[in-house]
Amino acid sequence: TQLLEQSPQFLSIQEGENLTVYCNSSSVFSSLQWYRQEPGEGPVLLVTVVTGGEVKKLKRLTFQFGDARKDSSLHITAAQPGDTGLYLCAGVRASNYQLIWGAGTKLIIKP
Amino acid sequence: DAGITQSPRHKVTETGTPVTLRCHQTENHRYMYWYRQDPGHGLRLIHYSYGVKDTDKGEVSDGYSVSRSKTEDFLLTLESATSSQTSVYFCAIRAGTDNSPLHFGNGTRLTVT
Repeated sequence: TQLLEQSPQFLSIQEGENLTVYCNSSSVFSSLQWYRQEPGEGPVLLVTVVTGGEVKKLKRLTFQFGDARKDSSLHITAAQPGDTGLYLCAGVRASNYQLIWGAGTKLIIKP
Repeated sequence: DAGITQSPRHKVTETGTPVTLRCHQTENHRYMYWYRQDPGHGLRLIHYSYGVKDTDKGEVSDGYSVSRSKTEDFLLTLESATSSQTSVYFCAIRAGTDNSPLHFGNGTRLTVT
């Protein structure tokens, strides 16, 4: 059972376009973490959002945590080929702090 | 970068043979995890450890066992490998159980023929 729905699963766009990745759940999370993974490597943390409604920016990447702490989004502005990778979201359960993982979004940015 | 090393990085083995994957950390983190990653499934937790000799099952633990005799080492054993265990295995460490992130190794690609 996938408790954290991540969409889209795959996205291929041209350099310069904008995109948004979504993670949605019916569960409330203590926080939500976003990771990026490149081929042959393990996921690397991009950001953690903790407070409902929180918005964090990392250069061209904007992360938002839903007011009810059940969903999150990652928006990339003016995507570049270097943004190519697998993006994973992980919700931290409020009850036991276990991580619940989305299935990932494979992003390809074409030059 | 967190000091976490997985070995081997690649392994090919035959069905029915035992396989042990090793995870070594130099961060002295209490929590260690084994995940498998398969297309369309994301990361699935196999086993985790919350201290020396303290381990627990994850969502896909059947066919796997773990041991942690030292803080720095977490071993994953496939007692009798099956083709369904062909996957990429990741070890991760975590400093705490609050909102602490995971730090991952670079994975072991295991092929069971």
